[in-house]
Amino acid sequence: EAQLLESGGGLVQPGGSLTLSCAASGFTLSGYPMIWVRQAPGKGLGWVSSINSGGSILYADSVKGRFTISRDISKSTFYLQMNSLRDDDTAVYYCAKGAGIPWHFDLWGRGTLVSVSS
Amino acid sequence: SYVLTQPPSVSVAPGKTATMTCGGNNIGVKSVHWYQQKPGQAPVLVVYDDNVRPSGIPERFSGSNSGNTATLTISGVEAGDEADYYCQVWDGSSDHVVFGGGTKLTVL
Repeated sequence: EAQLLESGGGLVQPGGSLTLSCAASGFTLSGYPMIWVRQAPGKGLGWVSSINSGGSILYADSVKGRFTISRDISKSTFYLQMNSLRDDDTAVYYCAKGAGIPWHFDLWGRGTLVSVSS
Repeated sequence: SYVLTQPPSVSVAPGKTATMTCGGNNIGVKSVHWYQQKPGQAPVLVVYDDNVRPSGIPERFSGSNSGNTATLTISGVEAGDEADYYCQVWDGSSDHVVFGGGTKLTVL
């Protein structure tokens, strides 16, 4: 059974850094686009970043220059390195597996909470 | 950037039909996907490519897309359908994934 499991969330001060991980099982990570989506408390879903099967990377304007997405195919894991964190980065961060062209997202992790606060 | 507009809330009695809209400029030429999110849970894909149901999603869920509005319809609504529903598209002009603001479905 295909699964995604996020880890690495926690409490961090403004200006700090955090790295999230998303471990994939039951499918080959390199064969699919993968994204990070976040959801601030009481708010809707917001796309953060994506990496396609060929390794091309995209970022939402709100995180460009601060966040970095990457993947380690040998570990079936992809990452979101978050620097210069701000209060408004506080959210549950989900990783999801893409499918089809254009992409839809057919498998989601359970999410990990990132809280940015002094 | 491309904007998707969803009504904040929709209410429906059990057994009736719920209709949730997703508005966007000429959205009819895009592929629209829909997700269901229950409180404290991750989103679940319920319709993709306008009107295709993933395996395991009941036939009660259906979608359509034309002009400036895409629609998710749930027939024979059940209490367990109460959730937030989000539409999503790919905006090719900006290479961005775009979500609508979500609609909270309340089953009366």
